[in-house]
Amino acid sequence: NAGVTQTPKFRVLKTGQSMTLLCAQDMNHEYMYWYRQDPGMGLRLIHYSVGEGTTAKGEVPDGYNVSRLKKQNFLLGLESAAPSQTSVYFCASSYEEGWDTDTQYFGPGTRLTVL
Amino acid sequence: AQKVTQAQTEISVVEKEDVTLDCVYETRDTTYYLFWYKQPPSGELVFLIRRNSFDEQNEISGRYSWNFQKSTSSFNFTITASQVVDSAVYFCALRGYSSASKIIFGSGTRLSIRP
Repeated sequence: NAGVTQTPKFRVLKTGQSMTLLCAQDMNHEYMYWYRQDPGMGLRLIHYSVGEGTTAKGEVPDGYNVSRLKKQNFLLGLESAAPSQTSVYFCASSYEEGWDTDTQYFGPGTRLTVL
Repeated sequence: AQKVTQAQTEISVVEKEDVTLDCVYETRDTTYYLFWYKQPPSGELVFLIRRNSFDEQNEISGRYSWNFQKSTSSFNFTITASQVVDSAVYFCALRGYSSASKIIFGSGTRLSIRP
């Protein structure tokens, strides 16, 4: 089991460029999440998905879009990158809604710099 | 509203000392989960423990122990006989029953263990 993987690991963008971050999990988890981590602010939820074909907004969704076309993949898109989106992005997944099964497992992170 | 406060931004201790990381939470939910995650210098997030609101029994896992007190809304984490490998940022997190799949993270405590 690879668990949760993210590509790319690092990326540098210029303001206004677009890109897509890919998250993949091989644990057959229903739920997937995208977070951003900024210094001194912990992790903040951007978007999440409760199953294939579904997405929902989290705490800081502006400037991002997501898609969950396949159960194992969750894509995070930046249509027009801004310096404020410089951050470390983490993907996570969990089995399903349930009090014994909702622990989130995280990918290794993607460090994004927007110049 | 839900909130997690980790008032200790940074802690530095000498190896073999015991250290406690504080976590105070706020939620209106009567049913909720609390979590601790570890983020070592390599950057990945490692799940440590999940505790539900109905189980106030303290838990011990090797050198790690957790003290959950609903009366003070705290879920503190103690490392006994600390080691250099314990150096990391530690995050406390909360998921309330009413918040769907959203987990709220604290801002983290950076723990440095000096040899």
